Amino acid sequence: DSGVTQTPKHLITATGQRVTLRCSPRSGDLSVYWYQQSLDQGLQFLIQYYNGEERAKGNILERFSAQQFPDLHSELNLSSLELGDSALYFCASSASGTGGLEFFGPGTRLTVL
Amino acid sequence: DAKTTQPPSMDCAEGRAANLPCNHSTISGNEYVYWYRQIHSQGPQYIIHGLKNNETNEMASLIITEDRKSSTLILPHATLRDTAVYYCIVRANYNTDKLIFGTGTRLQVFP
Repeated sequence: DSGVTQTPKHLITATGQRVTLRCSPRSGDLSVYWYQQSLDQGLQFLIQYYNGEERAKGNILERFSAQQFPDLHSELNLSSLELGDSALYFCASSASGTGGLEFFGPGTRLTVL
Repeated sequence: DAKTTQPPSMDCAEGRAANLPCNHSTISGNEYVYWYRQIHSQGPQYIIHGLKNNETNEMASLIITEDRKSSTLILPHATLRDTAVYYCIVRANYNTDKLIFGTGTRLQVFP
């Protein structure tokens, strides 16, 4: 158990819908990262937050957004969902914002029908 | 970030040492070598990291060549539960925070 929690574990929805994925980092960790893992793309970095502020952005679509709240949990919002958004979404946390060890959550499996 | 090259797959007999190679010929002086693994569809798990000295922890050993252009992750006594995809990643600790995952090595441990 990494100490990072993600909810829900599974999510099935339809194209065009909007969903929210939630991540609670390890106690004391200030940095939260989001990754997407689809079958044909491998693990792709989406976005990082550090203590409530956006720190780095990867290949995140404009239909996706994220935020980190004062209690340090983070939410990833996916809208206008397409079939290709079906993937595993992982959240990771680290103590520092500069290259600390990342600990990954169990992931949320999103299926878009 | 420097790129890494890993063999796509390897096999190892249970109880034997698994030696997973990684080439990172363009690594910079301030970049560390990290190893993570992903068992089936679970979240990636940190294994070990190092800069230039060999490192050992309860999970594995990391051997980095003197010129730092390659490294080897050693699982001393592989078990079936070590079957996973192993990722070798290089990154600097000061300004590039995110992990850039390549395709990794799929290690299959057999009885």
